[in-house]
Amino acid sequence: GAVVSQHPSWVICKSGTSVKIECRSLDFQATTMFWYRQFPKQSLMLMATSNEGSKATYEQGVEKDKFLINHASLTLSTLTVTSAHPEDSSFYICSARGARNTEAFFGQGTRLTVV
Amino acid sequence: GEDVEQSLFLSVREGDSSVINCTYTDSSSTYLYWYKQEPGAGLQLLTYIFSNMDMKQDQRLTVLLNKKDKHLSLRIADTQTGDSAIYFCAEETYKYIFGTGTRLKVLA
Repeated sequence: GAVVSQHPSWVICKSGTSVKIECRSLDFQATTMFWYRQFPKQSLMLMATSNEGSKATYEQGVEKDKFLINHASLTLSTLTVTSAHPEDSSFYICSARGARNTEAFFGQGTRLTVV
Repeated sequence: GEDVEQSLFLSVREGDSSVINCTYTDSSSTYLYWYKQEPGAGLQLLTYIFSNMDMKQDQRLTVLLNKKDKHLSLRIADTQTGDSAIYFCAEETYKYIFGTGTRLKVLA
């Protein structure tokens, strides 16, 4: 299957700082990328959907000014958690789908810990 | 509304079959998926079924879809300890909606 690389795998940051997570499709062009958040022992919560070159569509309850998503190219999307707080600590997973793909392929996830 | 439900836990003995169930509410789903998540890792697509099919078999995996009841199941034959993980079903409409996940524990 196609490969989606997410970086970093884990990050620890201080409260009040910003953290950027990258999601890259390595062998296909990702026309659509999805960002999810997963709390311990819970399902994935879709945060936003982004199509290349346009603004992301955020799910209800997700603060767009706090979780900045950029999908400037067909192989890269970034999620920036701005002014992070301990309650933002979570596992963030991206997925990417190309125009010809039936399914979306997932990154390996990023564990964010805000101290 | 959008809601996908699964039972939270399943425990089986090695060599037995596992059946993980999922119910969904949106009848406009196009594809339904099963994903596997190992601890601290992302999601691995196991299999998917198109909404106009009622069964799909892929090696040890069998997916059954009852569209009338909006019920999806994943059967794992000859379950192994390496199958221990969390299994998520997901439905695709214009976006993916995931179930709550079923934690499968395989006892040796």
